[in-house]
Amino acid sequence: QVQLVESGGGLVKPGGSLRLSCAASGFTFSDYYMNWIRQAPGKGLEWVSYITSTGSPIYYADFVKGRFTISRDNSKNSLYLQINSLTVEDTAVYYCARQSSGRSFDYWGQGTLVTVSS
Amino acid sequence: QSALTQPASVSGSPGQSITISCTGTSSDIGGHNYVSWYQQHPDKAPKLMIYDVNNRPSGVSNRFSGSKSGNTASLTISGLQAEDEADYSCSSYAGSSTLLYVFGTGTKVTVL
Repeated sequence: QVQLVESGGGLVKPGGSLRLSCAASGFTFSDYYMNWIRQAPGKGLEWVSYITSTGSPIYYADFVKGRFTISRDNSKNSLYLQINSLTVEDTAVYYCARQSSGRSFDYWGQGTLVTVSS
Repeated sequence: QSALTQPASVSGSPGQSITISCTGTSSDIGGHNYVSWYQQHPDKAPKLMIYDVNNRPSGVSNRFSGSKSGNTASLTISGLQAEDEADYSCSSYAGSSTLLYVFGTGTKVTVL
């Protein structure tokens, strides 16, 4: 069965960095586009970034402003999100989500919580 | 980035039908037939319920249906059941390199 397992979240001070990981299993990872989507506490879902099966092209939400880097390693069935220059507004649960053959997200991980606080 | 507009809450009694609206613009919902809906129980990951406006993934009950008119999409839940109590979010492809997808504000469905 399809599984996506995120890790790497935690408590970090403003201006800090984290590297989030998403381990995929149960499907041919290299065949699928992947996305990061976040949800701030008590708020709605917010699309963060997208990467194709080959690693290019890559797209980011406007609010990222050069601070985040999405990447993937198909040999390790893994997706990554490097997040730098964190602000309190980046506090959220970060989900990795598999993009279906269309333009929806058919499988999601359980999420990893990033808390930015001094 | 602007979110799609959903009602904050919708409620209904068991067996009733409810409809959740999701209003966007001609750049997202109105411009593409790529509206999807997600169900999220507390502290759980979202689950895809409807894709491409009105298609159900395998395993999703046929009590869930979707539609779209202009810049507004809708999710209807028929024969409401206790297990349907959850948060529901819409999403639309928006097609911009800095806003590829936009999500709705979310709707809390309560089964009375």
